[in-house]
Amino acid sequence: EDQVTQSPEALRLQEGESSSLNCSYTVSGLRGLFWYRQDPGKGPEFLFTLYSAGEEKEKERLKATLTKKESFLHITAPKPEDSATYLCAVQGAGSEKLVFGKGTKLTVNP
Amino acid sequence: GAVVSQHPSWVICKSGTSVKIECRSLDFQATTMFWYRQFPKQSLMLMATSNEGSKATYEQGVEKDKFLINHASLTLSTLTVTSAHPEDSSFYICSARGLTSGSTTDTQYFGPGTRLTVL
Repeated sequence: EDQVTQSPEALRLQEGESSSLNCSYTVSGLRGLFWYRQDPGKGPEFLFTLYSAGEEKEKERLKATLTKKESFLHITAPKPEDSATYLCAVQGAGSEKLVFGKGTKLTVNP
Repeated sequence: GAVVSQHPSWVICKSGTSVKIECRSLDFQATTMFWYRQFPKQSLMLMATSNEGSKATYEQGVEKDKFLINHASLTLSTLTVTSAHPEDSSFYICSARGLTSGSTTDTQYFGPGTRLTVL
């Protein structure tokens, strides 16, 4: 059974304090690993898709990396507007479904 | 690009009534649409997967007669909660997957969600 574990559950940072969120996964044949951002009361917003170990993608202050067992979402010099819950999901080979982790709630204080 | 809309954004209904939620992909054709449910401070729980023109595939434990899904076209799917009860109150989110302009990937794009409250 495909599984995703995200850590920490919650993270508080000061503005400008860089950090990383972790997503550990087990999947039978990785078809894709996805990162989403979700604001309270809204649907998830797509950030990145990673397909193979060693792949990296960047968008503004966010950088996602992937190994065979985990993915990291690095946040460089975060701003208060980066506060949100960040969700990680995997799609296994031959499956249409995404399996989500429980998310990391990030709070960036000014 | 890759915009998914949901309507309504929130709805309040009486117990025993039925509620329909629409999900539309606005700028791409969705080969597959998904319906999720999310409880407060919890992650998304997949309810069902639907492909245009065929019956939806429901996840274990989801009552297909209670949560009716119709995928009428490549841009529209509807979820009808029949004979709603207070325990059906939740945040319902749809997603659509398909190739978007400038993309070579098959990514799920999510709608903004619908907050259902059953009195």
